[in-house]
Amino acid sequence: SQKIEQNSEALNIQEGKTATLTCNYTNYSPAYLQWYRQDPGRGPVFLLLIRENEKEKRKERLKVTFDTTLKQSLFHITASQPADSATYLCATIKAAGNKLTFGGGTRVLVKP
Amino acid sequence: EPEVTQTPSHQVTQMGQEVILRCVPISNHLYFYWYRQILGQKVEFLVSFYNNEISEKSEIFDDQFSVERPDGSNFTLKIRSTKLEDSAMYFCASSDFHRTGNYNEQFFGPGTRLTVL
Repeated sequence: SQKIEQNSEALNIQEGKTATLTCNYTNYSPAYLQWYRQDPGRGPVFLLLIRENEKEKRKERLKVTFDTTLKQSLFHITASQPADSATYLCATIKAAGNKLTFGGGTRVLVKP
Repeated sequence: EPEVTQTPSHQVTQMGQEVILRCVPISNHLYFYWYRQILGQKVEFLVSFYNNEISEKSEIFDDQFSVERPDGSNFTLKIRSTKLEDSAMYFCASSDFHRTGNYNEQFFGPGTRLTVL
């Protein structure tokens, strides 16, 4: 079965800097890879989706890359703000189904 | 902006009791899902539902679990006889699978915290 690995250590970053998070998957290449934000006690909030034939996707201050050779996605938050402090989840979908497989998430703390 | 809603926000029950968790997916969505997250752990898939039937389920979704879409708006998860290990946040999600087959993102509700004593 698919395993999604994210850095379990919290990422502490200074306001204004770029936060870079890593997501590695170990089995099949997913058709889609998604990033979600989760605040404590809340549901995941969709941020970005990237398809297997796409290398990069951007949305405002967010950027996602997808390298199927390395089996890795990178998630960047540029010009980070304290309001960006949250846990960021990576999730994949196999081509044939709609089930999301989540990683454990990386907590980001942006200090003013 | 349309959103997925869930009730109740917190449910406390005794072991062995039945619970029903309720969700109202986004109105024009076609696919519905339940996930759960045990405290400090990953979000785990339970079941997906399309066209009034289960399309996929995980190993967690055993005979104690069932889902239903009793009317045109609600989507429910029933746990027949709760166990201590069922304590978790339960998230409902919905998505609008594009006619061309392109996957559309899943939108999650705020969750129901289930505590089994």
